[in-house]
Amino acid sequence: SAVISQKPSRDICQRGTSLTIQCQVDSQVTMMFWYRQQPGQSLTLIATANQGSEATYESGFVIDKFPISRPNLTFSTLTVSNMSPEDSSIYLCSVYGTGVNTGELFFGEGSRLTVL
Amino acid sequence: AQSVSQHNHHVILSEAASLELGCNYSYGGTVNLFWYVQYPGQHLQLLLKYFSGDPLVKGIKGFEAEFIKSKFSFNLRKPSVQWSDTAEYFCAVNNAGKIIFGKGTRLHILP
Repeated sequence: SAVISQKPSRDICQRGTSLTIQCQVDSQVTMMFWYRQQPGQSLTLIATANQGSEATYESGFVIDKFPISRPNLTFSTLTVSNMSPEDSSIYLCSVYGTGVNTGELFFGEGSRLTVL
Repeated sequence: AQSVSQHNHHVILSEAASLELGCNYSYGGTVNLFWYVQYPGQHLQLLLKYFSGDPLVKGIKGFEAEFIKSKFSFNLRKPSVQWSDTAEYFCAVNNAGKIIFGKGTRLHILP
C-alpha cells in the first residue's frame, strides 16, 4: 500500500487568489494523479503527473488554471489559480499501489477548498 | 464517449436487506474494474477489484461483485447490509492507465 499526505487539509480562499496543494508519498512512484471531487459529485481526473515531464491534462482542464509540479518521485504540487467559487472542491492526490496492490489507486485524505 | 454509469444515485435500505448496486462501463477491450467506498468523513478505500480470472470477486466486509463482459457490467452485491455500510460507493474502470469513476451511489441503511 501507499501512504499519501496532503497539505493543506482544508482552506478558505478569496476569489482571484491561488492556492498550492502539496502531496507527499511514502514511496517512489512513477505516476501521480490529481482528482477533483466537487460537492455531491464523483471524482474527476484533472491530470497525471510524471516525474521529469509535463503533466498530462484531461479534457476540460488546462495548465494555466491547474499548474502541476513533480520535482521528484515522492512529491507533487497542484496549484489552483485565479480561484472562483466554482473551484470549491476536494482535491485528491492518488498513486498506484505496488506488489499485491498493483493497479489499485490509493488516495490521500484530500484538500477541501472553499472559495468565497 | 467512454463512461462509467451507476444506475442508482441514492439507495435507502433497512438493515439485513440485500443490496445490489449497478455499474456499467462503455470501454472496449481489456479493463480493470473496481468498487471504492467512502465512509462519512473518511477517504476513499478499495472494496474489491477485478483484473482477470473468476468473474465473481469477493471483497472486504462481505461485499462481492460480478463481472459480466457481455453486458459491460460490474454490479456490487451484499446479501445482508448493516448500518455501518452507510457510505458512498463508486464504481471505477482502469482504461489505458487512467482510472475513471462513476458518479457514485449514496447508500443509507436504516437501523
